[in-house]
Amino acid sequence: AQSVSQHNHHVILSEAASLELGCNYSYGGTVNLFWYVQYPGQHLQLLLKYFSGDPLVKGIKGFEAEFIKSKFSFNLRKPSVQWSDTAEYFCAGPRGSQGNLIFGKGTKLSVKP
Amino acid sequence: EAQVTQNPRYLITVTGKKLTVTCSQNMNHEYMSWYRQDPGLGLRQIYYSMNVEVTDKGDVPEGYKVSRKEKRNFPLILESPSPNQTSLYFCASSTQNQPQHFGDGTRLSIL
Repeated sequence: AQSVSQHNHHVILSEAASLELGCNYSYGGTVNLFWYVQYPGQHLQLLLKYFSGDPLVKGIKGFEAEFIKSKFSFNLRKPSVQWSDTAEYFCAGPRGSQGNLIFGKGTKLSVKP
Repeated sequence: EAQVTQNPRYLITVTGKKLTVTCSQNMNHEYMSWYRQDPGLGLRQIYYSMNVEVTDKGDVPEGYKVSRKEKRNFPLILESPSPNQTSLYFCASSTQNQPQHFGDGTRLSIL
């Protein structure tokens, strides 16, 4: 079965702390992976994507993610978080047909000023 | 401007009164989806469409209908809404293997 798992439900950090959010996927075939962010009261926006090539992917706002095939992981990282990073973060991967996605349950990040 | 437009943004209604949430995209995308978002459950797919007249059930299709008569539109229909369909709904569109673009969401409250 295809699935995407996010292990952290709620992460609380102080400003300037480093961030790592876990994401694991389980399926074979072509791996297209995404991280989305949802700021309070807003819709989901793409942070970054991995299709192929360099497993270290850089996205917007200083975020990056590393695809590790042997661990089936695609963890999101940021060296120094800001209060404005407070949001919910979703990992997503392919689901069946091309163009269809399955999402993890999300990780809520709260950054204390 | 590339966008996915949902209407209405907010709706409070009563059990059993049919309603339709519209979704329109201007990017000529083949793929469109409907999701519902509930606290602690993330985004769960309701229905998915690969192109005009081609739709498929997602994880939670019960109580919902969709149609895809035109490429740009993908309405979500609740024939007889019930309180357990109170949720935040998102429409999304994409082209093959590309990220999905999301609408601003529709918050439905069914009393």
